[in-house]
Amino acid sequence: EAQVTQNPRYLITVTGKKLTVTCSQNMNHEYMSWYRQDPGLGLRQIYYSMNVEVTDKGDVPEGYKVSRKEKRNFPLILESPSPNQTSLYFCASRLAAGSNGYTFGSGTRLTVV
Amino acid sequence: KQEVTQIPAALSVPEGENLVLNCSFTDSAIYNLQWFRQDPGKGLTSLLLIQSSQREQTSGRLNASLDKSSGRSTLYIAASQPGDSATYLCVISGGGADGLTFGKGTHLIIQP
Repeated sequence: EAQVTQNPRYLITVTGKKLTVTCSQNMNHEYMSWYRQDPGLGLRQIYYSMNVEVTDKGDVPEGYKVSRKEKRNFPLILESPSPNQTSLYFCASRLAAGSNGYTFGSGTRLTVV
Repeated sequence: KQEVTQIPAALSVPEGENLVLNCSFTDSAIYNLQWFRQDPGKGLTSLLLIQSSQREQTSGRLNASLDKSSGRSTLYIAASQPGDSATYLCVISGGGADGLTFGKGTHLIIQP
């Protein structure tokens, strides 16, 4: 089944403890991106990647890192999480830039205490 | 910068009614427009994708239209059911470095 898989689905962590949220797609998509969703603010883009080894900042990149060493994986790294990073996170992918639609993962609910 | 507005923000209707959700956008230079459904705390499920060159798409009881010149899209839901209760998001792709602009959604409740 064609899908975007995020792990974990739920995570509670403490301030300052490094964590990684994984994202993997099995559709050979070139483009991948990360979003966070907060009440009243909607979805906002954190980082995106046009292809392997090509990443760029979205609208809210502060406090996050990403890497794209291989096409299928696009992990989101929080080096030193803070409570304001408590949010619902989504990974998405699409075939290439242009007119293709997006596929979203099921989301990761992160709580930083 | 593209802005996407969805009206209404919330809607509650009895089961069986036909309804229309509205999406407006400020920049007509789009690659496509996608309607998603989101259940509480869950992921986004793609409902319909309308390419820039298309005017509408249909899937089952859903029909989405696109009018780039007026900056509008509508999602029509026929014969609504309680299972249609969810938040519906209008998402526009501007292409290139992207590029996705999200509306804030319409929270739909279908009363049994």
